[in-house]
Amino acid sequence: DQQVKQNSPSLSVQEGRISILNCDYTNSMFDYFLWYKKYPAEGPTFLISISSIKDKNEDGRFTVFLNKSAKHLSLHIVPSQPGDSAVYFCAASGGGSQGNLIFGKGTKLSVKP
Amino acid sequence: NAGVTQTPKFRVLKTGQSMTLLCAQDMNHEYMYWYRQDPGMGLRLIHYSVGEGTTAKGEVPDGYNVSRLKKQNFLLGLESAAPSQTSVYFCASSRQGSSYNEQFFGPGTRLTVL
Repeated sequence: DQQVKQNSPSLSVQEGRISILNCDYTNSMFDYFLWYKKYPAEGPTFLISISSIKDKNEDGRFTVFLNKSAKHLSLHIVPSQPGDSAVYFCAASGGGSQGNLIFGKGTKLSVKP
Repeated sequence: NAGVTQTPKFRVLKTGQSMTLLCAQDMNHEYMYWYRQDPGMGLRLIHYSVGEGTTAKGEVPDGYNVSRLKKQNFLLGLESAAPSQTSVYFCASSRQGSSYNEQFFGPGTRLTVL
């Protein structure tokens, strides 16, 4: 059973608009959440994270929101740029995962000029 | 700093052949990981290591073995490759294994088993 779910395999957004990528989780013991970005033929790179004691973390154009009661987090990219086109993975740790990361299946973001 | 490097970048094997994938990191990280990524499946943990000389099983360990003889290197072995092991393999490392755990990834090895 998937503990971290990204239900949208793909998302297309116009340049300059907001991109919202969603992630749901089932394990209420997860205490840290991360977003990774992956370009084709490259390894994932860390983008932004949030602790379960917070509900928002912002870094430049990227903001992650956490709703613990709904077991839901989202990544907002404002404004979206063509260079943001990539696959975005949500990951979680804690809850018996021994510090290991549990990844979602990813959402492919396409930002059109 | 090179970060995390992986050797080779590409490899084609025949069923039953063996090979070893090498991962090296120059960040003095304690923890190292091997993942596989399949289409539509995200990243799944194969094995990991919490320090030199230690290894542990992840989510999908069957058909793979690993060794961590040196802190900077983590080897992934396939003793008898199967077509189901066709995948992209990523190595990662992290300073520690606590929940606050940013992992740094290598560029990946694309393996095809015929």
